[in-house]
Amino acid sequence: EDQVTQSPEALRLQEGESSSLNCSYTVSGLRGLFWYRQDPGKGPEFLFTLYSAGEEKEKERLKATLTKKESFLHITAPKPEDSATYLCAVRGSQGNLIFGKGTKLSVKP
Amino acid sequence: DAGVTQSPTHLIKTRGQQVTLRCSPKSGHDTVSWYQQALGQGPQFIFQYYEEEERQRGNFPDRFSGHQFPNYSSELNVNALLLGDSALYLCASTWGGDEQYFGPGTRLTVT
Repeated sequence: EDQVTQSPEALRLQEGESSSLNCSYTVSGLRGLFWYRQDPGKGPEFLFTLYSAGEEKEKERLKATLTKKESFLHITAPKPEDSATYLCAVRGSQGNLIFGKGTKLSVKP
Repeated sequence: DAGVTQSPTHLIKTRGQQVTLRCSPKSGHDTVSWYQQALGQGPQFIFQYYEEEERQRGNFPDRFSGHQFPNYSSELNVNALLLGDSALYLCASTWGGDEQYFGPGTRLTVT
């Protein structure tokens, strides 16, 4: 069964304190791993797509990496505006996205 | 370029009633998917529409149905509402099967 597990559930950082979010996945034949950012009461905002182990993508203070069993979202020198829930998803066998529960990130000034 | 739009923003219904939610995809996108997101959970796939037909369906009962129109917009209908149907309903659109872009969602409260 296709499955996505994210850890930690919540993460509190001080402004400038770098850290990483983890996404472990089980899927038969990876057809894409996706990272989204979601602010409270809003729809997920697309960040990255990764397709193969070793692939990396960057956007401002965020960097996503992929191995055969997990993905990491590295946050370098975060700012309070980076506070949000970060969702990880894989494409299932039907083409739909299978999401984890997310990591709620809080960055304090 | 307009992104994915959804209406209404919020909705309050009573148990047993029926509800219709609407979605307009991002310009150039022809495929629409619907997701249900309960509080504190990740989105759960309901179904996907392409060329006006339901192409895939997640593990949701037949009370959940949908439609896609020739202009690619879509509706989600839920019959016989239950308290457990209270959630944020998200519409996502795509073209070519890659990244899905989400709308702002409709917050449904069932009392």
